[in-house]
Amino acid sequence: GIQVEQSPPDLILQEGANSTLRCNFSDSVNNLQWFHQNPWGQLINLFYIPSGTKQNGRLSATTVATERYSLLYISSSQTTDSGVYFCAVGPRMDSSYKLIFGSGTRLLVRP
Amino acid sequence: DSGVTQTPKHLITATGQRVTLRCSPRSGDLSVYWYQQSLDQGLQFLIQYYNGEERAKGNILERFSAQQFPDLHSELNLSSLELGDSALYFCASSPRERGAYNEQFFGPGTRLTVL
Repeated sequence: GIQVEQSPPDLILQEGANSTLRCNFSDSVNNLQWFHQNPWGQLINLFYIPSGTKQNGRLSATTVATERYSLLYISSSQTTDSGVYFCAVGPRMDSSYKLIFGSGTRLLVRP
Repeated sequence: DSGVTQTPKHLITATGQRVTLRCSPRSGDLSVYWYQQSLDQGLQFLIQYYNGEERAKGNILERFSAQQFPDLHSELNLSSLELGDSALYFCASSPRERGAYNEQFFGPGTRLTVL
């Protein structure tokens, strides 16, 4: 099945710093989503981005489907950005619309 | 708030018992998905329903079953519980099964602890 790899696995930033999180996937997809799991366990939708570029405030994401990767940019990080960031993909050749999750990037933003 | 509701938030039970987790999708969403998040397996897809019909199965144990009712809410039944079933169980919903837009929105999860 499709493989989803996220890097780096862990990231520690000082408040105000910028970061880039990467998601590589091994096959064509018809869905790609980025999530933030907060310390309370909630999965919060950040982007639905099977291709192209989107921005939402301090966050932006780019997916290059032909090269099978996606990037999540966090600018001017805040302590509330701490948590785990997941990339999840929906394999194009899969008849279901399930999401396959990467193992996440754990982010800690220090004040 | 994603619009997906799950009850209960927490569940503590003993090995061998049976529990039912409930999910109400976002208004208008026809697809419901169940996922399990455990420390050793990460986030894994369990099962999908679309408009009352089972559409896909993932790594769901035979001791687990689910259904989607006519009002589109869904229940996940876990029986003969084992310690390893302790996990966070998420429900997600999306507008449709097929089409150009099928973003999934997740509920807050049910944290199951099996003692």
